[in-house]
Amino acid sequence: EPEVTQTPSHQVTQMGQEVILRCVPISNHLYFYWYRQILGQKVEFLVSFYNNEISEKSEIFDDQFSVERPDGSNFTLKIRSTKLEDSAMYFCASKLRTSAADTQYFGPGTRLTVL
Amino acid sequence: KQEVTQIPAALSVPEGENLVLNCSFTDSAIYNLQWFRQDPGKGLTSLLLIQSSQREQTSGRLNASLDKSSGRSTLYIAASQPGDSATYLCATYNNNDMRFGAGTRLTVKP
Repeated sequence: EPEVTQTPSHQVTQMGQEVILRCVPISNHLYFYWYRQILGQKVEFLVSFYNNEISEKSEIFDDQFSVERPDGSNFTLKIRSTKLEDSAMYFCASKLRTSAADTQYFGPGTRLTVL
Repeated sequence: KQEVTQIPAALSVPEGENLVLNCSFTDSAIYNLQWFRQDPGKGLTSLLLIQSSQREQTSGRLNASLDKSSGRSTLYIAASQPGDSATYLCATYNNNDMRFGAGTRLTVKP
C-alpha cells in the first residue's frame, strides 16, 4: 500500500542552523501538508500546498519557514534559523483531492531536536 | 477559530470492555472529521473519516458517529484488546486546515 515517507527520522541541530525536512508524498496525490507536534501537545497545522504554491498557512508558519516541491516527488520544509522552541515532531501528509471524502495520509514524522 | 476538545484525556479499561471516546468542536462548518490512532513516538494512522453529510462510519470493531449540529463526535470501540492501547486523536477539516484535539490516551489491560 502506498505510504508517505519522511527523512530523516531524527535530526539534531544547533540553534541558529538551517534544517530541511524531507517528505515523499503518495505519488498521485495533489495536496500536501506539514504539521508539528511539540512533545505532550496537540498536533498543529503549519501549511498546505497545492499546485506549487501555499494554499493556507497558520500563524506558526512565519518567515523562518518555507516549503518547496523541488521535483515531482519530494516536498520539503525548511527552517532557516532554528530556535529551541522549534524542537518537535514534524509530520508531512498528503491527500489526493480536497474532497470531503478524501483522507489525509500522514508520514511517520521527523523528530527535530534543537540544542 | 476551531477548537477541538477530547474527553477523557486518559482511560484505562480491562480487556473485553466496550468503550466510548468523545470529541467536541466549536465550529460546525466542517468538511469532515477524522479519527486517528497514534502510538508512542510514531505517526498518525487514520482510522475513520466521516464526511459532514454523514452520521456514522464503521470499520471492524470501530464505529464513529458525527452530530455536526451539536459539535460532537464519538468513537466506539467494541471488545477492546491490549493492542488497542494508543492515543486516539480526532481532527476536523475545513478550508484546507485540519485542527486536532489533544487526544485520549487509552490503556487496555490484559
